[in-house]
Amino acid sequence: DAKTTQPNSMESNEEEPVHLPCNHSTISGTDYIHWYRQLPSQGPEYVIHGLTSNVNNRMASLAIAEDRKSSTLILHRATLRDAAVYYCILRIEGWDDKIIFGKGTRLHILP
Amino acid sequence: DTGVSQNPRHKITKRGQNVTFRCDPISEHNRLYWYRQTLGQGPEFLTYFQNEAQLEKSRLLSDRFSAERPKGSFSTLEIQRTEQGDSAMYLCASSLALADQETQYFGPGTRLLVL
Repeated sequence: DAKTTQPNSMESNEEEPVHLPCNHSTISGTDYIHWYRQLPSQGPEYVIHGLTSNVNNRMASLAIAEDRKSSTLILHRATLRDAAVYYCILRIEGWDDKIIFGKGTRLHILP
Repeated sequence: DTGVSQNPRHKITKRGQNVTFRCDPISEHNRLYWYRQTLGQGPEFLTYFQNEAQLEKSRLLSDRFSAERPKGSFSTLEIQRTEQGDSAMYLCASSLALADQETQYFGPGTRLLVL
């Protein structure tokens, strides 16, 4: 499976934007970039996914590098409720079933 | 939409005892997954079902573990002769596998502590 690399932890101030990086230098052409997050004492939840173009939804934005070897999850205005572990995952569309999670990035939000 | 539910939420047991967890997926979801998560790690895949068929089992799923989804709806995960190393969060997820995108929806998990 293609692997992703994320920082172990990050800090951000409340109400400021947060940029969570992910490196996936061995990504293949059929890999989609997915992000899930896990709030304390909860199961993971889907955040966003994309292939080549940048994507926006109500939760976040996903910026994908032109060579697709890296991506950034953007939380436009972090709140205390965004404190979680964020997982960057590669999945093959219509093929992959199980999700292979790494350790993710633990995001701390400072009030 | 009630989401994925898991019961019990917490379980404390003594080494050697058997335990059973239940997962109720989102209705009409045809896929159901079980994952295990230990402290500081991401979830690890254990097994999954499409309808009632168990399609894949991880090598993490030893002979002491068995999972069922008898009618293609809820699922149970049983651990026999529990060991202290089984202490973990057991997560269930469900999805509707379509031709394109498959998003997994996770339950809150069952936290197991084996004494």
